[in-house]
Amino acid sequence: EPEVTQTPSHQVTQMGQEVILRCVPISNHLYFYWYRQILGQKVEFLVSFYNNEISEKSEIFDDQFSVERPDGSNFTLKIRSTKLEDSAMYFCASSDGTGVVYGYTFGSGTRLTVV
Amino acid sequence: AQKVTQAQTEISVVEKEDVTLDCVYETRDTTYYLFWYKQPPSGELVFLIRRNSFDEQNEISGRYSWNFQKSTSSFNFTITASQVVDSAVYFCALRGGGSNYKLTFGKGTLLTVNP
Repeated sequence: EPEVTQTPSHQVTQMGQEVILRCVPISNHLYFYWYRQILGQKVEFLVSFYNNEISEKSEIFDDQFSVERPDGSNFTLKIRSTKLEDSAMYFCASSDGTGVVYGYTFGSGTRLTVV
Repeated sequence: AQKVTQAQTEISVVEKEDVTLDCVYETRDTTYYLFWYKQPPSGELVFLIRRNSFDEQNEISGRYSWNFQKSTSSFNFTITASQVVDSAVYFCALRGGGSNYKLTFGKGTLLTVNP
């Protein structure tokens, strides 16, 4: 069964450093998403991406965040200057269309720890 | 605005008991989609089911069943004859209609099945 692959599975970084979280969505999917889950809390939407541009973003997704699809397979989330409160599990997801036919496939997540 | 409420924060049962996880949603959209995801201790999000707003048929998949009631804006999930492997956090999620593709998650219910 096709998977969404995220790397690394766990990243520790110092406050103020830039981090790039990487995702390889399912190859024939067109819509890509990043979600965040602070430990013990609910999963929160960050951003959706379609046709090489952001289609929607949440209030959380401020100027510190950016997304990119640098080639035909990768989808990245960059946090420019990490803060302690950025510590969370970050999930990448993809969907072939609008998600209502085959749903959304999530990756296993990257646990980001900012120290 | 979309909202999903999972009032049960934690539920603990003994193996073989039946358990129902509640989900109440709010949306102004006439067309919308509801999802359940399972998050085992390993952290990934596992898709369980998707339901369209115009299809109120209940669904059964093995030990799992879902009860969708538009009149009460609820989409409850029942596990019959629970097993230890069912122990996880379960999230209910809502996707609105139109071009709004993001998922809005509830806070999740931690289910612990004891042997």
